[in-house]
Amino acid sequence: GEEVAQTPKHLVRGEGQKAKLYCAPIKGHSYVFWYQQVLKNEFKFLISFQNENVFDETGMPKERFSAKCLPNSPCSLEIQATKLEDSAVYFCASSQYTGQGRNYGYTFGSGTRLTVV
Amino acid sequence: GDSVTQMEGPVTLSEEAFLTINCTYTATGYPSLFWYVQYPGEGLQLLLKATKADDKGSNKGFEATYRKETTSFHLEKGSVQVSDSAVYFCALRWGGATNKLIFGTGTLLAVQP
Repeated sequence: GEEVAQTPKHLVRGEGQKAKLYCAPIKGHSYVFWYQQVLKNEFKFLISFQNENVFDETGMPKERFSAKCLPNSPCSLEIQATKLEDSAVYFCASSQYTGQGRNYGYTFGSGTRLTVV
Repeated sequence: GDSVTQMEGPVTLSEEAFLTINCTYTATGYPSLFWYVQYPGEGLQLLLKATKADDKGSNKGFEATYRKETTSFHLEKGSVQVSDSAVYFCALRWGGATNKLIFGTGTLLAVQP
């Protein structure tokens, strides 16, 4: 399809529980990105994939966060032992291949709102 | 490192007023520049983009010109509508090793009838 599909839309977890978010990128898009939106506006980059390979994981809190993009499956972002500070909206985006001098914008999903209580 | 600076909001305007939201960037090389819009409760939508110096992106009456000499990409619209009320994000993307979007902090626009 022509949209990035994120599920679930809302997720509530008790502190210490696991949370798993899913993202189906647009077919044919090679890159997938995860962002965390906190404090109403600020977007924090978490991780990106080129197909099923991790491309850039410099934003990931590695001790509790993990992500995968496996063939023929939605991508996933998993948070082990959630903390109150993980409450945010998590956005997934996908993009076509970016060749030299050809930079495409992202297409964003509508996000998953995670609330940790 | 690369960064984007936007004017702080909120920006409150009356319908049909002229809009400018300032955006400047710091980057090595020549990034692509974007404006995204986020309506309440929704995700980000690409509003317009420019990939090289002097390019003008435009969409839905909004415009922004890539100014290399001033490292700016200011968003403008001649006559805003209530339906333009949203948060606007300036972003850059350097298609090198990182390939990620770097966002400004967003500017809330509120248009009153």
